[in-house]
Amino acid sequence: DQQVKQNSPSLSVQEGRISILNCDYTNSMFDYFLWYKKYPAEGPTFLISISSIKDKNEDGRFTVFLNKSAKHLSLHIVPSQPGDSAVYFCAASLYNNNDMRFGAGTRLTVKP
Amino acid sequence: EAGVTQFPSHSVIEKGQTVTLRCDPISGHDNLYWYRRVMGKEIKFLLHFVKESKQDESGMPNNRFLAERTGGTYSTLKVQPAELEDSGVYFCASSQNPRYGYTFGSGTRLTVV
Repeated sequence: DQQVKQNSPSLSVQEGRISILNCDYTNSMFDYFLWYKKYPAEGPTFLISISSIKDKNEDGRFTVFLNKSAKHLSLHIVPSQPGDSAVYFCAASLYNNNDMRFGAGTRLTVKP
Repeated sequence: EAGVTQFPSHSVIEKGQTVTLRCDPISGHDNLYWYRRVMGKEIKFLLHFVKESKQDESGMPNNRFLAERTGGTYSTLKVQPAELEDSGVYFCASSQNPRYGYTFGSGTRLTVV
């Protein structure tokens, strides 16, 4: 069963605007969440993470928000740049469990 | 430092044949993972090694898949015999502290025809 879901397979935004990528999870025991970015023909690369004890983590243009009650997290990219165009994967893991579970990914296209 | 290396990058085999994928993790990373992505779906967990031991192999689809990690260094994933539904991109990742994220290889694209 898919414990991490990204319901939007694609998203298109204009350069300079905000990109919001969403992720839902079903397992309330997940306590650590990560976003990965993937370019074609490359492996996913770690982007940003958040622990369940926080509701927000910011790193430059990237901010991840966590809503534990809704089992929902989102990634905000402001301002979006054409180089941000990639597939973004949401991932979650359990405390003391090294195995991450990934969503299906959202393809972000940032138009110049 | 060298990243996670996977070989081959592409493999096309016929149904019923055997294929072996190799992963060289980052030196010193005790944790090694195999994942698979099929046709734009989620990156699905296959198994996790800690050094040479299988920590969790709950994601392995069936007994046609065999993973080994020799001496806690490189790992191989063998598919024997391959079926059409095994086609996809197989990713290997390693980490020392997974709370800082994994480092993924570029993947092996397996096509079974």
